[in-house]
Amino acid sequence: GENVEQHPSTLSVQEGDSAVIKCTYSDSASNYFPWYKQELGKGPQLIIDIRSNVGEKKDQRIAVTLNKTAKHFSLHITETQPEDSAVYFCAASNNAGNMLTFGGGTRLMVKP
Amino acid sequence: ETGVTQSPTHLIKTRGQQVTLRCSSQSGHNTVSWYQQALGQGPQFIFQYYREEENGRGNFPPRFSGLQFPNYSSELNVNALELDDSALYLCASSLGGRGGTGELFFGEGSRLTVL
Repeated sequence: GENVEQHPSTLSVQEGDSAVIKCTYSDSASNYFPWYKQELGKGPQLIIDIRSNVGEKKDQRIAVTLNKTAKHFSLHITETQPEDSAVYFCAASNNAGNMLTFGGGTRLMVKP
Repeated sequence: ETGVTQSPTHLIKTRGQQVTLRCSSQSGHNTVSWYQQALGQGPQFIFQYYREEENGRGNFPPRFSGLQFPNYSSELNVNALELDDSALYLCASSLGGRGGTGELFFGEGSRLTVL
């Protein structure tokens, strides 16, 4: 089955700096890669996703890149703000509607 | 707010007991997936229900079972509770089963503690 590894497990940045979180996956059949943000006491919320037919996707301060050959994908957050502090999860699936395999999570702390 | 509601939000059970968790999916969604999230870890897929049928299952034993009702709400049942079943149980709704192309909308979860 699919295995998703996520790094780093914790990340501390200064407000205004950029943050990068990286994930690798094992199953070459995976073609859907969402990123979720989970705040304390809440369920995961989708912040951006990418499908295997594109290499990069951007939404305001958030961008995701995908390298299918190397089987890795990354989340980039620019101009970080304190409200970006949360746990971020990457995931992979062979279809958006199918089961997601999640990474272990990255706790991002943005210091004012 | 995703429109996915789960109950109860917190509960405590003892080893060997049974528990039922409930989920109301977002309006218009016909698919419900359940995930288990242990403390400090990513969610793990338990199973998915689509049009009242189990439509995929992760690596969980048969004492984890579910139901989906005609209004697409769902229940997760866990029998013979073990200490390791302590976790946040997340319900996610979507459209179109395993062939769907839309995102999952998660509820806020039911936190189960097994003593």
